[in-house]
Amino acid sequence: AQKITQTQPGMFVQEKEAVTLDCTYDTSDPSYGLFWYKQPSSGEMIFLIYQGSYDQQNATEGRYSLNFQKARKSANLVISASQLGDSAMYFCAMSPDPNFGNEKLTFGTGTRLTIIP
Amino acid sequence: GAGVSQSPRYKVAKRGQDVALRCDPISGHVSLFWYQQALGQGPEFLTYFQNEAQLDKSGLPSDRFFAERPEGSVSTLKIQRTQQEDSAVYLCASSLAVGGLAFFGQGTRLTVV
Repeated sequence: AQKITQTQPGMFVQEKEAVTLDCTYDTSDPSYGLFWYKQPSSGEMIFLIYQGSYDQQNATEGRYSLNFQKARKSANLVISASQLGDSAMYFCAMSPDPNFGNEKLTFGTGTRLTIIP
Repeated sequence: GAGVSQSPRYKVAKRGQDVALRCDPISGHVSLFWYQQALGQGPEFLTYFQNEAQLDKSGLPSDRFFAERPEGSVSTLKIQRTQQEDSAVYLCASSLAVGGLAFFGQGTRLTVV
């Protein structure tokens, strides 16, 4: 079984500052994929970034980077230069497929990020 | 359409009623997923289709929940004899290929009163 833990229910960050959202995971699978999604108030889940368990380098997508520490089983999301539009719920998720597969994602409980002007 | 479309966006049902939630995936997408998101929680997997075949229904919480995708495109999630604990947002996602990135719809918010 896979489990995702997000310990920060809510965060407030000043605009233009960097923010780190924590995610730890637990799995007995030898390989897996890790995802971050953004859920604005409109409800849809927006894909942000992906890291495969075999990937040696941390994933980056524009202002988003994933700080992957396999030994610690953590996959923190870093958002640089935060913007007001970044205010939303953020979910960390895991898949049993390390090759960008999306079958049967297991999600954490989320972190509500609020950017302060 | 350009994205995954779900209807209705909001549904209020009296306890004991049957409901049907519709998902129109992105055209040509092979894989389709349903998730249930209770208030304040992350989405939880319900079921997965590859074309018309339901390959995984391990997340369906009871036999009152039933999903179908008869022609490999539109999918319907049916809940019989709704109960208050069924109140949640039901999210649908589709992906072009097996193992491809899944795109989510905006969800249907079901409230059972």
